Amino acid sequence: DADVTQTPRNRITKTGKRIMLECSQTKGHDRMYWYRQDPGLGLRLIYYSFDVKDINKGEISDGYSVSRQAQAKFSLSLESAIPNQTALYFCATSDRRADVGPQYFGPGTRLTVL
Amino acid sequence: QKEVEQNSGPLSVPEGAIASLNCTYSDRGSQSFFWYRQYSGKSPELIMFIYSNGDKEDGRFTAQLNKASQYVSLLIRDSQPSDSATYLCAVFNQAGTALIFGKGTTLSVSS
Repeated sequence: DADVTQTPRNRITKTGKRIMLECSQTKGHDRMYWYRQDPGLGLRLIYYSFDVKDINKGEISDGYSVSRQAQAKFSLSLESAIPNQTALYFCATSDRRADVGPQYFGPGTRLTVL
Repeated sequence: QKEVEQNSGPLSVPEGAIASLNCTYSDRGSQSFFWYRQYSGKSPELIMFIYSNGDKEDGRFTAQLNKASQYVSLLIRDSQPSDSATYLCAVFNQAGTALIFGKGTTLSVSS
């Protein structure tokens, strides 16, 4: 089984709809992250959480919110989706014991907002 | 805004050759450096990480770091068609709170 899972894997929605993307991990990592990837723009950090009670905005948090329900679960919400939020979304995790160590990515969610 | 720069490519090499991928970064206080491989439509996969100046080898891959020049590279020896992918360079910021990614270099290995 994959260490980091994301649901759904693909989603098509309409402008103005509320969308939640979910991430679960079995790696036992404390730190979790949400990124989006757009062609030509690379990976950009949306939110990150170093533990359940520590949530921080990343580079591009406007229009997004997150919830860390447990150590293993980190959800990303788009309160009112807009077409320029069409992108590939990745969840990632890292081990706090490796303070500036590697991050491990989930399989991604391809989101299309019409 | 701290930046990580990579040549977008494509970098084309024949099978069996050495592929050399380069990356520069702007945050002089960066502490750790990573190379990820990403196939089209898939998630980034960690290949190498390096923390200290010099070379680090793992199989066909060698990461090279020069902090004075703010330069990190990835060498792939005996390149295979399966190495064809986009390679992302990533650097932790000095505060250790965010991993900054380059936009990636596309590598094409021809058989």
